[in-house]
Amino acid sequence: EPEVTQTPSHQVTQMGQEVILRCVPISNHLYFYWYRQILGQKVEFLVSFYNNEISEKSEIFDDQFSVERPDGSNFTLKIRSTKLEDSAMYFCASSEDVGYTDTQYFGPGTRLTVL
Amino acid sequence: AQSVTQLGSHVSVSEGALVLLRCNYSSSVPPYLFWYVQYPNQGLQLLLKYTSAATLVKGINGFEAEFKKSETSFHLTKPSAHMSDAAEYFCAVSGGYQKVTFGTGTKLQVIP
Repeated sequence: EPEVTQTPSHQVTQMGQEVILRCVPISNHLYFYWYRQILGQKVEFLVSFYNNEISEKSEIFDDQFSVERPDGSNFTLKIRSTKLEDSAMYFCASSEDVGYTDTQYFGPGTRLTVL
Repeated sequence: AQSVTQLGSHVSVSEGALVLLRCNYSSSVPPYLFWYVQYPNQGLQLLLKYTSAATLVKGINGFEAEFKKSETSFHLTKPSAHMSDAAEYFCAVSGGYQKVTFGTGTKLQVIP
């Protein structure tokens, strides 16, 4: 069964450094998402992406964050200058279509630790 | 805006007992509701979803959920708990066209 994959599974970085989290969505999916889950808290929406553009973003997704689909298979989340509070599990998701009923399939996550 | 509230951050049941995980939703439009499960160190797996076709929704691993508009609820049940059901369960609602809004999660412990 096709699945969303994410690399790395765990990333440790120093505060102020840039990190890039990578995702490979399911191949025929057109819509891509990033969510994060701070330890002990709920999963929070960050951003959605379609047709090489951000289509929706949350208030969390400030200028420090950016997303890109650099080629036909990868979808990346970049954090320009990491802060301690960026430590979280980051989930990528993809869906075939958009709309209330379409299912988002989630990857296993990247645990980001900012020291 | 859409939101979900999960009642009980931790639930313990005996193996073979009924599992009941509670979720109430708030939505300004007809909601589409989901239950996801997260096993330790893994991603989020869709258990089931409600999309207005039928109020009783059957999912994977013997789980089901019933949409009750009058109670704004979408509780998750399983008749007989198995040790492998121990995980964290998230209720979620679709908000807007793309954003999924999650509840705070309920950790299910199954006692042998």
